[in-house]
Amino acid sequence: ETGVTQSPTHLIKTRGQQVTLRCSSQSGHNTVSWYQQALGQGPQFIFQYYREEENGRGNFPPRFSGLQFPNYSSELNVNALELDDSALYLCASSLAKPGAETFGSGTRLTVV
Amino acid sequence: TQLLEQSPQFLSIQEGENLTVYCNSSSVFSSLQWYRQEPGEGPVLLVTVVTGGEVKKLKRLTFQFGDARKDSSLHITAAQPGDTGLYLCAGAPGTSYGKLTFGQGTILTVHP
Repeated sequence: ETGVTQSPTHLIKTRGQQVTLRCSSQSGHNTVSWYQQALGQGPQFIFQYYREEENGRGNFPPRFSGLQFPNYSSELNVNALELDDSALYLCASSLAKPGAETFGSGTRLTVV
Repeated sequence: TQLLEQSPQFLSIQEGENLTVYCNSSSVFSSLQWYRQEPGEGPVLLVTVVTGGEVKKLKRLTFQFGDARKDSSLHITAAQPGDTGLYLCAGAPGTSYGKLTFGQGTILTVHP
């Protein structure tokens, strides 16, 4: 079975631009969660998608939005990028049970 | 807002020494997970503890969940250089899956 795949692996954007990050969930997993990990910190929960609907959101502004597709893959969109958005963005997929989250390797976003 | 306080933040020890990492919260979690993360990679699940007072062993690693399900510890016996990495604890709230609250992480360096 394939794991969680994220693309791109690295990205450099200019402040004010928009970015889309992509995640292919592990085969059979119907739940996708996105996390932001700043350098030297633990990941912070952004939001979760279950069956194409947002199923919970962390303390992030509306310019962070997402989508989940029928094949359970997902996108994270960030508008009006700020310097503080520079971080590792992690996608995790699961089968909706404790301890079953599988993380991708992340997308390193740098905003200049 | 649920918070997880992880300590220590940094740990530098010699090969063969023992160590303990702590994860504390004022909130109750339905489960608590420990992850290890290598640079440039996503977190990899080490263990999930669900029952208050539960102890799990994984070779030289021992994980404990507090009786009240608010705290946890990770103990490593006879640390090896291969144990070097970032260790993260993460709690799952209520009956929700995913939507993890992570601690700040402990950067462990084991010197040969």
